[in-house]
Formats: sequence, structure tokens, C-alpha cells
Amino acid sequence: GENVEQHPSTLSVQEGDSAVIKCTYSDSASNYFPWYKQELGKGPQLIIDIRSNVGEKKDQRIAVTLNKTAKHFSLHITETQPEDSAVYFCAASIGDYQLIWGAGTKLIIKP
Amino acid sequence: GAVVSQHPSWVICKSGTSVKIECRSLDFQATTMFWYRQFPKQSLMLMATSNEGSKATYEQGVEKDKFLINHASLTLSTLTVTSAHPEDSSFYICSARPLSGQGGYTFGSGTRLTVV
Repeated sequence: GENVEQHPSTLSVQEGDSAVIKCTYSDSASNYFPWYKQELGKGPQLIIDIRSNVGEKKDQRIAVTLNKTAKHFSLHITETQPEDSAVYFCAASIGDYQLIWGAGTKLIIKP
Repeated sequence: GAVVSQHPSWVICKSGTSVKIECRSLDFQATTMFWYRQFPKQSLMLMATSNEGSKATYEQGVEKDKFLINHASLTLSTLTVTSAHPEDSSFYICSARPLSGQGGYTFGSGTRLTVV
């Protein structure tokens, strides 16, 4: 079955710098890759997603890149702000069905 | 955008009692909803897939008689933790995706269950 690995588990960056979180997946049939942000005590919130027919997608300070050949995708956050501090999860699925989750990355933005 | 409402946000119950958690899609219909459990500092663990009008599909290791799921309509799924024990204490989260298939999965705000 599908397996998703996420790195790093914790990432600390200075406010204003960029943050990059990487995920790899095992099943080449996966075609949907969302990223979620989870704040303490809350449910995950979708922040950006990408499908396998696209290599990159951007939404203001957030971007996701996908390399199908290498089977990895990354989340890029530029000009980080204190409110970006949270746990970020990547996921992968085949046909928009069951999501297979990464282990999560705790992002800490240092003032 | 798609909104999923989950209630209650937190609940404390005594051992041996049952607790019901509701998950509603407010502005869309969903034939399928998912129930997750999350332990502190860990990722989400899929417990079961709730299908409208039919039996839920449980993941391996999840007791179907303990975690009862009912998906009676296209906008409501419930999870009942029966005969709760302290080890059932956890953060439970539901998610749903619009029937149209457009858009990603939307999650509820989660329910913190504490069994004392």
C-alpha cells in the first residue's frame, strides 16, 4: 500500500525566512497531494493541494512542487510569520479517496 | 467554502458510559465521511470510513462494536464511543468531501474526549 514519509519532524526558522517541508510517497498511482495545517486543539485545515498533472502550484506565500519521477512533493512557505507556527501534514491519495498521511512537521517561527 | 461542523468540541465522561460525536457538512452533501483518531504529537489515524445508507468500513484493529458509526443522511455522520475507558481518551476528528468530487477534504474542528 501507499506510504508517505515527511521530513523534517521539527523545523525552526527565523521570522521572514522561508520554510520547506518535504514528503515522499511510494505508490506511483497516487495523484492527489494536499497539505494541511493543524493548530493546537483544532482540526487540520487544507492550505494547498496539487494534482499529478501539475508540477507546481502557488497561493500567495505558499507553494507546492511535485516531482512525479522522484515521487516527492514539497511545501514552500516564504516570508514566514508568527501565525505560520503550527503542525503541517502532507498526504497522498489515489483517485481522491482515502488519504495516506505523513507524520507531520512542527514549524516554529522564531521572532 | 466547504464547512464541516463537529460537536462537541470537548467532552468528559465517566468510564463505562457512552459518548456520541456528531459530524455535519453544513453547505455540501457527502456520501462518505471519515473518522480519525489523533494521539498527542502524532499524525491522524484513520479509524473508519462512513458511508451514507450503508455500514461503515473499519480499519484493521478498530473495534466496530466499540466505535459505532451511523451515517443516516448526506450531511450527518455520528461516532459513538461505547462503554468508554480511559484509554479511549483522545482527539477525534471527522472529515468529508463534497459529493461533486470537487475540492479537497474538509475537516471538523475535532473533539477532545477525556474518560475519567
